[in-house]
Amino acid sequence: NAGVTQTPKFRILKIGQSMTLQCAQDMNHNYMYWYRQDPGMGLKLIYYSVGAGITDKGEVPNGYNVSRSTTEDFPLRLELAAPSQTSVYFCASSSRGRESTIYFGEGSWLTVV
Amino acid sequence: GEDVEQSLFLSVREGDSSVINCTYTDSSSTYLYWYKQEPGAGLQLLTYIFSNMDMKQDQRLTVLLNKKDKHLSLRIADTQTGDSAIYFCADYTGRRALTFGSGTRLQVQP
Repeated sequence: NAGVTQTPKFRILKIGQSMTLQCAQDMNHNYMYWYRQDPGMGLKLIYYSVGAGITDKGEVPNGYNVSRSTTEDFPLRLELAAPSQTSVYFCASSSRGRESTIYFGEGSWLTVV
Repeated sequence: GEDVEQSLFLSVREGDSSVINCTYTDSSSTYLYWYKQEPGAGLQLLTYIFSNMDMKQDQRLTVLLNKKDKHLSLRIADTQTGDSAIYFCADYTGRRALTFGSGTRLQVQP
C-alpha cells in the first residue's frame, strides 16, 4: 500500500530558487494537507484542500502556493526560497476530515542556503 | 486562536509507566489525537478520543480526557526502549485540520 507519497525526500535550494514538493495519495481521500515542522516544534498548517479544485490557507501560507487539479495530487510550490523555509514538510490526507484517521507522508527535508 | 501545549521532555526507566500531558484551548475541539514520531520519520497515529469520552484504552495506551480543564494525557504502561520518540498531541480545529502541540520527547532508559 503506497498511502501518501512525497517527493523529493531531501533537497537543498539556493536563496531565490523555486521548487515544487510533490504529494500523491492513492486512497481516494478528499482532504489533503501540507504541514511544516521546524526543529523542536510541532507541525504548522501551510495549506489544505477539501477536494479537487478547492484549496485554502492554513496558519503559515506566506511564500507558498498549492493547486489541487486531481483528487490524488496536491503539490506545494515554493517561490523565491528563503532560509526561513528550511524545514521538514509533511503532506497528509484523510477521507472525511476530523472523524477520520489522517495519514502522513514520510516527509521532505528542505534546506535553503 | 487555537493552542495546544505540551511539556518538552520526559525521561523514564524501562518497565515504568510514562504519562505525557497536553492542554488545549479550543473548547469546540471534538476529537483529540496522539501521534508518535520516531527520528527521521513521519507521524504515526497512536490513538484518538472523542470529546464525550473520559477515557480510552488500547493495549498499553490509556488516554484520559478532562474536558472541563481542557487537559489530555497519554499513559504508556510498561514503557519499552522502542517507545522512545516524540509524542504529539493534536486537536481538530474549525479549519478542518489538526493543530499540533510542540511535542514531548520521551526518553526511555534501560
